[in-house]
Amino acid sequence: QSALTQPASVSGSPGQSITISCTGTSSDVGGYNYVSWYQHHPGKAPKLMIYDVTNRPSGVSNRFSGSKSGNTASLTISGLQAEDEADYYCSSYTSSSTWVFGGGTKLTVL
Amino acid sequence: QITLKESGPTLVKPTQTLTLTCTFSGFSLSTSGVGVGWIRQPPGKALEWLALIYWDDDKLYSPSLRSRLTVTKDTSKNQVVLTMTNMDPVDTATYYCAHLRGPHLYFDWWGQGTLVTVSS
Repeated sequence: QSALTQPASVSGSPGQSITISCTGTSSDVGGYNYVSWYQHHPGKAPKLMIYDVTNRPSGVSNRFSGSKSGNTASLTISGLQAEDEADYYCSSYTSSSTWVFGGGTKLTVL
Repeated sequence: QITLKESGPTLVKPTQTLTLTCTFSGFSLSTSGVGVGWIRQPPGKALEWLALIYWDDDKLYSPSLRSRLTVTKDTSKNQVVLTMTNMDPVDTATYYCAHLRGPHLYFDWWGQGTLVTVSS
C-alpha cells in the first residue's frame, strides 16, 4: 500500500495558522474515521496530537484541530508557536486491517 | 502512566535476523482491545508501520514485509518481541513500539525508539 500524501514542508510566522493536508484513498482516509496525527521532534518519541479525525487527547493544546473531506484529512495549527516546529505525520487505518503513515511534513516557524 | 521501551542490537550484519524487545508498563496486554505495534523510521525518511499484536494474540503485518516479520507477546513479562529476518542495509532505521488504544485504532503512547544499523 502507498504512503499517504503530505506536503514535504509548510511554514508560518508566530501567531499565524497553517494547515497540513493528508491525502489517501477510499481504502484508508476516505473509508474510515480513523485518521490520527503525530508530532515528532527528532530524537524523541512521536506524540499523538489528533485521533479519530477530530479528537484531541487530554493535554494537547486546542490550537490543534483536525478535519476530513473525502479522501483528504487536514491538521490545522492556529496561533503558531516556536515550539510547534517539528515533523508532522498523519496515519490511517486501512481496509486491509493495517496502518499507513504519510510521508511527513516539516513545519518551520519563521 | 504508560511507558514503552525498545531494546535490542544496535548493529546487525546483512542476512542476519533482528530481534527487538518492547518492554512496557502501565497497561496489560491481556486487556480487551489493547495492542502493541511496531513502526520504523529510516534516517531522513517517513514513519512506516510494520506489525501489531492484539491482546487476543491476533497479529497483523505490513503486506510488503509480512514474509520477514514475526511478532509475539509474553503477557507475564509485559513484553512484545519483533523478529525480522534477512536484514539488509535498507532496513537501517529507528524502530519504535507503540501502545494501541483499544478499541480505537490509534497509537497513543510510543517508546523513544532504538536505532538499528545494518552493515557488514
